[in-house]
Amino acid sequence: AQSVTQLGSHVSVSEGALVLLRCNYSSSVPPYLFWYVQYPNQGLQLLLKYTTGATLVKGINGFEAEFKKSETSFHLTKPSAHMSDAAEYFCAVSDNAGNMLTFGGGTRLMVKP
Amino acid sequence: DSGVTQTPKHLITATGQRVTLRCSPRSGDLSVYWYQQSLDQGLQFLIQYYNGEERAKGNILERFSAQQFPDLHSELNLSSLELGDSALYFCASSVHPTSGYEQYFGPGTRLTVT
Repeated sequence: AQSVTQLGSHVSVSEGALVLLRCNYSSSVPPYLFWYVQYPNQGLQLLLKYTTGATLVKGINGFEAEFKKSETSFHLTKPSAHMSDAAEYFCAVSDNAGNMLTFGGGTRLMVKP
Repeated sequence: DSGVTQTPKHLITATGQRVTLRCSPRSGDLSVYWYQQSLDQGLQFLIQYYNGEERAKGNILERFSAQQFPDLHSELNLSSLELGDSALYFCASSVHPTSGYEQYFGPGTRLTVT
């Protein structure tokens, strides 16, 4: 069975500061990993994904994440936060048996001016 | 705009009732997924269809059922509704049913059971 843990249900940063959202996963097979963003009253939008190959993955809006197998982590980073980054972020995993996503509990990112 | 449409946007109904949520996938996508988002359970996978056939089942209650029609739209039927069924229900679609293919999410249907 797969699971995803997102450390910190709320993260607050100042505009221009580094954003770091943590995600650890558990999977019995090589995982496929995703980060989604949800803005208020909207659906989920894919930020980036890791399937195979390069472990540092670049996504939209300046976000990137690094797959670290030894640490079972897939943390999301952005060098400089913008007010428009305020949203809820979800880490998700799927295995190679199917494409259903198992989500973490989400992290609400707040950006202070 | 993801290209996935869901209707209705909001639904308010009473306990014991039955409702149907509708989803149209992105053009060309054959696989449809349903997810439930609630405050206490978070985001949970319910069920997946691929080209009209049920492909995978998650934490879907027996009171809930779904189907995918020949035109690939999907419906999620929720019956004997309880207060705890109040949630946001998302539909997602992907071009292929196997892992690694991006899922595009619709805007969701917010169900309130009173």
